[in-house]
Amino acid sequence: GAGVSQSPSNKVTEKGKDVELRCDPISGHTALYWYRQSLGQGLEFLIYFQGNSAPDKSGLPSDRFSAERTGGSVSTLTIQRTQQEDSAVYLCASSPTSGASSYNEQFFGPGTRLTVL
Amino acid sequence: DQQVKQNSPSLSVQEGRISILNCDYTNSMFDYFLWYKKYPAEGPTFLISISSIKDKNEDGRFTVFLNKSAKHLSLHIVPSQPGDSAVYFCAAPYTGRRALTFGSGTRLQVQP
Repeated sequence: GAGVSQSPSNKVTEKGKDVELRCDPISGHTALYWYRQSLGQGLEFLIYFQGNSAPDKSGLPSDRFSAERTGGSVSTLTIQRTQQEDSAVYLCASSPTSGASSYNEQFFGPGTRLTVL
Repeated sequence: DQQVKQNSPSLSVQEGRISILNCDYTNSMFDYFLWYKKYPAEGPTFLISISSIKDKNEDGRFTVFLNKSAKHLSLHIVPSQPGDSAVYFCAAPYTGRRALTFGSGTRLQVQP
C-alpha cells in the first residue's frame, strides 16, 4: 500500500510489560512523527524524526518511552514497564520534507490502540 | 497547557445545512493553522489550512475563517453531507518546531 502503516493495530498488555509499536512511513518521506491520543483528548506530540535522528523528543512523557528509526524508514516506539495511563491510540505520521509545506503533508497511519490492564 | 482548544465536543446538523466548527488558540505566535478529519479506526487526514496572513481560505464546500484579534478560527462546511460525519481537529505547528499541537476534536454528525 502507499500509505503509512502501523502494527499491531491493537495491543493488550499487562502492567509492567514492555511493548513495541511499529510504523512504516510512506516511501521517501524523510520526516516521521509519533503522536498519541488518550480517551477524550486531542493528539499529543511525542517525538519527531528527520531521517534517522530525532531533533525533537520533547513530547516523550517519561524515560520509559523511547523511539528509534533505522534506514530513514521504519520506526519503533518502545514503552518499558507499561502503566495504565499509557493506554491510548498511538499514531504515526510521515511527511516528505521538513519545510513549511510539510505542515500540509503529514500523512497519518491508522494507529495502534494500546490497552494496559 | 492546551494551546489549541475546541470547546464543543459534538455537533449535529441536518444534511444540506451549514456546519460550523470552532477552534480557539492562546499562542499569538502561531502563524499557520490546519484542520484534520478523522473517521473511526483511521488516522486523521488533512482537510484545509490557512496562513495567518489570510483571514479566509476556501476549498470546495470547506471554508476556514481566521480572526487573529480574537485568536479564533472556524471551519464551515456547506452544504453538509452525511459522509462529512467524523471527528474534526484543528491544529497548529508548535512555534519553531515541526510537530503539530491539536485541539481535542469536535464530533460532527450530519443527519440525512
